[in-house]
Amino acid sequence: AQTVTQSQPEMSVQEAETVTLSCTYDTSESDYYLFWYKQPPSRQMILVIRQEAYKQQNATENRFSVNFQKAAKSFSLKISDSQLGDAAMYFCAYRSAWNTGNQFYFGTGTSLTVIP
Amino acid sequence: GAVVSQHPSRVICKSGTSVKIECRSLDFQATTMFWYRQFPKQSLMLMATSNEGSKATYEQGVEKDKFLINHASLTLSTLTVTSAHPEDSSFYICSARDSDLDNYGYTFGSGTRLTVV
Repeated sequence: AQTVTQSQPEMSVQEAETVTLSCTYDTSESDYYLFWYKQPPSRQMILVIRQEAYKQQNATENRFSVNFQKAAKSFSLKISDSQLGDAAMYFCAYRSAWNTGNQFYFGTGTSLTVIP
Repeated sequence: GAVVSQHPSRVICKSGTSVKIECRSLDFQATTMFWYRQFPKQSLMLMATSNEGSKATYEQGVEKDKFLINHASLTLSTLTVTSAHPEDSSFYICSARDSDLDNYGYTFGSGTRLTVV
């Protein structure tokens, strides 16, 4: 089974600074998707960014970017110009691409605090 | 964008009673829905995969008779917690896939906080 590991239970960043959240995963598959989800206090899961494993180019969404290292099975999230609204729990997730009905495998999450 | 409505958002029930949680895809058809459980400050753990018109597939360790899942239409899946006990208190989240979209078309509901007293 696939496993997703987030080794940082908690992180903090000063407002307007940059922070990187780590994620590693284990899989024997060659084709898959990786995601970062944000869960604010409302508990609503919000998709932050996604990456297809077959793409070498790192995904970017405004202030959010990833560093995808397929060989190392690493998928870190960089948040630039951190804002107070970025404070939340962040989950890294994996999903197989082999069929369309697959579940997500989530990491244990990283709680991000943004310091004003 | 695709919206998944989950109801109720909060429910308190007495031990021994049953509680039904609904997950609706509002503007798309969902052939597959997933039910997750999340304990405080922990990750989402998949409980079961719900397929329209067929029996749900439960993950190992999840009691089928306690957590009844019904996916009778392409827009509605329900999770019924039967004979609830305090240890069933948790946050339950559903996720649905828009059948017409590409593989990214997964949307999460806003969750249901169940408290069994």
